[in-house]
Amino acid sequence: DAGVTQSPTHLIKTRGQQVTLRCSPKSGHDTVSWYQQALGQGPQFIFQYYEEEERQRGNFPDRFSGHQFPNYSSELNVNALLLGDSALYLCASSSPKTGRETQYFGPGTRLLVL
Amino acid sequence: AQRVTQPEKLLSVFKGAPVELKCNYSYSGSPELFWYVQYSRQRLQLLLRHISRESIKGFTADLNKGETSFHLKKPFAQEEDSAMYYCALSPLHNAGNMLTFGGGTRLMVKP
Repeated sequence: DAGVTQSPTHLIKTRGQQVTLRCSPKSGHDTVSWYQQALGQGPQFIFQYYEEEERQRGNFPDRFSGHQFPNYSSELNVNALLLGDSALYLCASSSPKTGRETQYFGPGTRLLVL
Repeated sequence: AQRVTQPEKLLSVFKGAPVELKCNYSYSGSPELFWYVQYSRQRLQLLLRHISRESIKGFTADLNKGETSFHLKKPFAQEEDSAMYYCALSPLHNAGNMLTFGGGTRLMVKP
């Protein structure tokens, strides 16, 4: 099991563009959470998907949206990119079957907005 | 709303010295507290959580509800403990188990 995988590893965009980041959860996991980690800060919760629905959302604008597919993989979309969206985007997966609280993180996608 | 504060950005100690990484939180309900660690060039991983009350790699942490703290301790630091440490909180009775992280503390253990 490769664990949680994310693609791409790095991405460069310009202001106003749109970006899509992808995440495949750890085998057997059905819940995917997304976090934004700005340089020098801790991860900040964006939203969580379970059963293809957004179950919970942090304090992020509607420019941030997501999707979960039947195979539990997930996408994070960010529209109208701002310079401040430059960050490491982390995906984490979990499953109620293995313990509600244990989230396994992927390596992240580093987004740079110019 | 919940908040997690790690007052020290950097903690530097010598090998064999005791280590205490501080974590304070604010949350009106019942929290679950975690410590996550990120070693160089590795992904963020769970170190321990207060509910399991276990010791991992010699680290322990006790939830002090009176002081709203969850400090991470180790009696004798090792060089391989050098890493970034994040304290995190999750509302205990929330099905979504979203994590609120502190800003992190970089631990450097010198030989």
